[in-house]
Amino acid sequence: DVVMTQSPLFLPVTLGQPASISCRSSQSLVYSDGNTYLIWFQQRPGQSPRRLIYKVSDRDSGVPDRFSGSGSGTDFTLKISRVEAEDVGVYYCMEATHWRTFGQGTKVEIK
Amino acid sequence: QVQLQESGPGLVKPSETMSLICTVSGGSLNAAYWGWIRQPPGKGLEHIGRVFHTGSTDYSPSFKSRVTISIDTSKNQFSLQLRSVTAADTAVYYCMRDFGWSFGHMDVWGKGTTVTVSS
Repeated sequence: DVVMTQSPLFLPVTLGQPASISCRSSQSLVYSDGNTYLIWFQQRPGQSPRRLIYKVSDRDSGVPDRFSGSGSGTDFTLKISRVEAEDVGVYYCMEATHWRTFGQGTKVEIK
Repeated sequence: QVQLQESGPGLVKPSETMSLICTVSGGSLNAAYWGWIRQPPGKGLEHIGRVFHTGSTDYSPSFKSRVTISIDTSKNQFSLQLRSVTAADTAVYYCMRDFGWSFGHMDVWGKGTTVTVSS
């Protein structure tokens, strides 16, 4: 089974400063079609998850460009260039290459 | 714009079967997989399973023995049945579009419905 490991699990950030979340998979996420199905979700307090990034780095419509995804193989990163108050919540990575496995989640809070 | 809405009992007794329905509006169920994810209180996300518009299903291993997901395209609904529930099944249950070739994975989610297992 694939294991997705996020770090850190808790991320206090200062408004306007950058933030970075790591997601590592126990197996390569490159699918047989050449795509890498690594997805990032944001879950604001009291809300359902919202997809931010798919296929490692493709940003969903309406997602601010301060969010970016990168990585390959087994190592991936979500970056927020300048954190805003509305970015508070829990961020999950998920692999959809092998099945559907989520990371534990990273809670982003404002310092 | 496709929207999803979960419905069903908020309280289920231990050992009984939990049943939820997801109603899809603003679009068709065709050419996509539709699924369920749950989130126990204070915990992360768990994928339960998915159903294709044809009715074929895939279930996550930890739920396979006691879950059924079905679809009714005439009603634009799909449903979740989880048998022999225990307190560990208390969670917020989300329906979502699991995969569509035009949309990718999990692009649309319902707001979620809370299910409590208690006598």
